[in-house]
Amino acid sequence: GAVVSQHPSWVICKSGTSVKIECRSLDFQATTMFWYRQFPKQSLMLMATSNEGSKATYEQGVEKDKFLINHASLTLSTLTVTSAHPEDSSFYICSARDPSQDTGELFFGEGSRLTVL
Amino acid sequence: QKEVEQDPGPLSVPEGAIVSLNCTYSNSAFQYFMWYRQYSRKGPELLMYTYSSGNKEDGRFTAQVDKSSKYISLFIRDSQPSDSATYLCAMMNSGNTPLVFGKGTRLSVIA
Repeated sequence: GAVVSQHPSWVICKSGTSVKIECRSLDFQATTMFWYRQFPKQSLMLMATSNEGSKATYEQGVEKDKFLINHASLTLSTLTVTSAHPEDSSFYICSARDPSQDTGELFFGEGSRLTVL
Repeated sequence: QKEVEQDPGPLSVPEGAIVSLNCTYSNSAFQYFMWYRQYSRKGPELLMYTYSSGNKEDGRFTAQVDKSSKYISLFIRDSQPSDSATYLCAMMNSGNTPLVFGKGTRLSVIA
């Protein structure tokens, strides 16, 4: 199946710093990628839809100036958590669809666990 | 009412038991239904995919969709300790729309 790679898988940072998470589609081109956040024992909550070559679409309640998304190429989307605070600590997961498959299946990255001290 | 409701459990069963997991939803426009399995600290992986109503079987797993009742189920036969994970139902309107997830049900299969 299609592979989505996410990096880093684990990051600890100080409050007030910025953290960048990368999401790559390894064997297909993804014009659209989705960023989810998952708190402990909670479901995946869609944060934003990343569109290659254009601005991301953010879900209601997600601060676009805090969670910067860049989708500069068909295989790479980045999420930057700016001025991170402890309440931003969470599991961030990206996903993408392989346009050559018509099932609409979302392939997920392994996730990035962010801890803000 | 949330769009997708799923009992978070936890659910604990002995090895070999039949497990039944289910979700209800409110959006009648949903047409694609999926079950994902998520191991601790890992990204979700697709288990079963169903379009519209009906049943689908894959090995020990059977997915059922009843659109008239807005109810979907996942059955696991002969459950194994390796099946211990969180199972998330997910659904969407069309192939290009975001998936809406249930909360996930934590399953433990005890040897």
